[in-house]
Amino acid sequence: DVKVTQSSRYLVKRTGEKVFLECVQDMDHENMFWYRQDPGLGLRLIYFSYDVKMKEKGDIPEGYSVSREKKERFSLILESASTNQTSMYLCASRTTDREVGGYTFGSGTRLTVV
Amino acid sequence: DQQVKQNSPSLSVQEGRISILNCDYTNSMFDYFLWYKKYPAEGPTFLISISSIKDKNEDGRFTVFLNKSAKHLSLHIVPSQPGDSAVYFCAASRTGANSKLTFGKGITLSVRP
Repeated sequence: DVKVTQSSRYLVKRTGEKVFLECVQDMDHENMFWYRQDPGLGLRLIYFSYDVKMKEKGDIPEGYSVSREKKERFSLILESASTNQTSMYLCASRTTDREVGGYTFGSGTRLTVV
Repeated sequence: DQQVKQNSPSLSVQEGRISILNCDYTNSMFDYFLWYKKYPAEGPTFLISISSIKDKNEDGRFTVFLNKSAKHLSLHIVPSQPGDSAVYFCAASRTGANSKLTFGKGITLSVRP
């Protein structure tokens, strides 16, 4: 089974800090995604990457950036953390061998910005 | 504008009864629909899907129905079990190698013993 690993389960950061959330997948998937989950708002797409060095904005990219220097790793960067970025962050990957679906999610990082 | 809508935030059913979770979509370009299940402190896991060329797909206790004309799909769980208590997300996609999922807000299902 493909595995998507997020480096931290829980993080507490201070307002204004630069925050890095790391995600690694072990099945050579081309596509990788970052979502955030908030109560009453569901899963919202922040950024995604079709392949190495490629990135596309999702629905809520403001305040975030991403990096994909290697195929297996997709990093989400909060340039200057704010309290409204307190959330559950979920990374996912999928293979383009399938026309649809095929997402595998990590266990999530619960980020609290104080 | 929300393209995938789950209008009921929660549902409570008795163990052994049927759970019906509803989902509506607005984008007529969507042609593939999925349901994901999520427990607290875990990532969502794939449950069942349906292509727009079908109107029903069944997998054990789980059945998804698609009504394209109404842009509506539903997930039926029969019989419901306490272990089914979780958040269920409806998602939609367009077919394609670089497709991405659009999720609804989710519905919290509680199955009472």
